[in-house]
Amino acid sequence: QKEVEQNSGPLSVPEGAIASLNCTYSDRVSQSFFWYRQYSGKSPELIMSIYSNGDKEDGRFTAQLNKASQYVSLLIRDSQPSDSATYLCAVKGGTASKLTFGTGTRLQVTL
Amino acid sequence: DGGITQSPKYLFRKEGQNVTLSCEQNLNHDAMYWYRQDPGQGLRLIYYSQIVNDFQKGDIAEGYSVSREKKESFPLTVTSAQKNPTAFYLCASSIDASLAKNIQYFGAGTRLSVL
Repeated sequence: QKEVEQNSGPLSVPEGAIASLNCTYSDRVSQSFFWYRQYSGKSPELIMSIYSNGDKEDGRFTAQLNKASQYVSLLIRDSQPSDSATYLCAVKGGTASKLTFGTGTRLQVTL
Repeated sequence: DGGITQSPKYLFRKEGQNVTLSCEQNLNHDAMYWYRQDPGQGLRLIYYSQIVNDFQKGDIAEGYSVSREKKESFPLTVTSAQKNPTAFYLCASSIDASLAKNIQYFGAGTRLSVL
């Protein structure tokens, strides 16, 4: 079982719709969760971080965390073509220094 | 202009050759990291350093070496022992690796290919 799992996609949504990206993780003591956006050929950029159960909103982005189910998601409201990218989920466990990344979900926002 | 600078942007390696990728940051971050990304894959940790003159192996350290002589700099050498070096190499830094809320920020990356 992979430590951090994401559906590779592509996830295709029409412009203006809500995109829902999901991530599951195996380490129960994981404390910190991050969503990065990566455009093709570019480096990852941080979109959201979340540390406690529940929802965290920032503009059109909402991160949702459920530690009991070991599940973290990213919702993108009013999806735009510029949101088309690969979204990487990253998890940090306890006091361990490293982040573990999923393989990413490719999102395509269609006109 | 604060940030993480990686150079070169593209690098070509001949068989048997060692090559060094540069990573410099002016964010005053203590921790620095090197990742490798293969097409369609997530990021895999090569080495990380929490403090000057100290570094630890990540998940795929074989065939790579690093040094951390200055806080601002964390160069990565891809040695001839790394038989499949073609990949996108990403350097990252964070304030303190031990913090739970340890946000890592990335440089623009170096794309390494084998001639």
